[in-house]
Amino acid sequence: DTGVSQNPRHKITKRGQNVTFRCDPISEHNRLYWYRQTLGQGPEFLTYFQNEAQLEKSRLLSDRFSAERPKGSFSTLEIQRTEQGDSAMYLCASSLQIEETQYFGPGTRLLVL
Amino acid sequence: QKEVEQDPGPLSVPEGAIVSLNCTYSNSAFQYFMWYRQYSRKGPELLMYTYSSGNKEDGRFTAQVDKSSKYISLFIRDSQPSDSATYLCAMSQYSSASKIIFGSGTRLSIRP
Repeated sequence: DTGVSQNPRHKITKRGQNVTFRCDPISEHNRLYWYRQTLGQGPEFLTYFQNEAQLEKSRLLSDRFSAERPKGSFSTLEIQRTEQGDSAMYLCASSLQIEETQYFGPGTRLLVL
Repeated sequence: QKEVEQDPGPLSVPEGAIVSLNCTYSNSAFQYFMWYRQYSRKGPELLMYTYSSGNKEDGRFTAQVDKSSKYISLFIRDSQPSDSATYLCAMSQYSSASKIIFGSGTRLSIRP
């Protein structure tokens, strides 16, 4: 499968715990995006990278959220001290800089108890 | 007020009907307009992409953008049960390979 992959697909955690998600983009895609989607809503932009550089970060993203793309390939999204309001689907997408299409992965569904 | 407004539906139509989906937006700086389709428990997939105002047709799908009214539409002709999904309008200021603002999605059901 050459699409965007995300792991884990599901994560249940207790409030206050840290969680980390991984995204593997389509090979050679230099842009990588993170979005969050809650039930009945569209995806909400969190941040995006060009290669290893983080180009933009949403003002809605609190200091508990951090994303990295250390070698310009896969990316991780970490949430520290999780809260119940963090429960959502976390979507990753990738694209070429010159292309019009962002290709989305299947998402990681997070439930914070 | 949200930057992008979309009627959440649900919308239910019989097979073969023409479907019209719409969004309005408030940010006049948006230049790139997209429609994504999302099946249950899947990530969104791009259906249509339009730059600035105008119409674009791709098979049974037609996208329209009216920047003067800040209004975009997606028409689906000869709708099929396989078209049942959530349709998300989306827009971007600088390019579609950057930050995208999504509508809340319209859930569409096509009855056989």
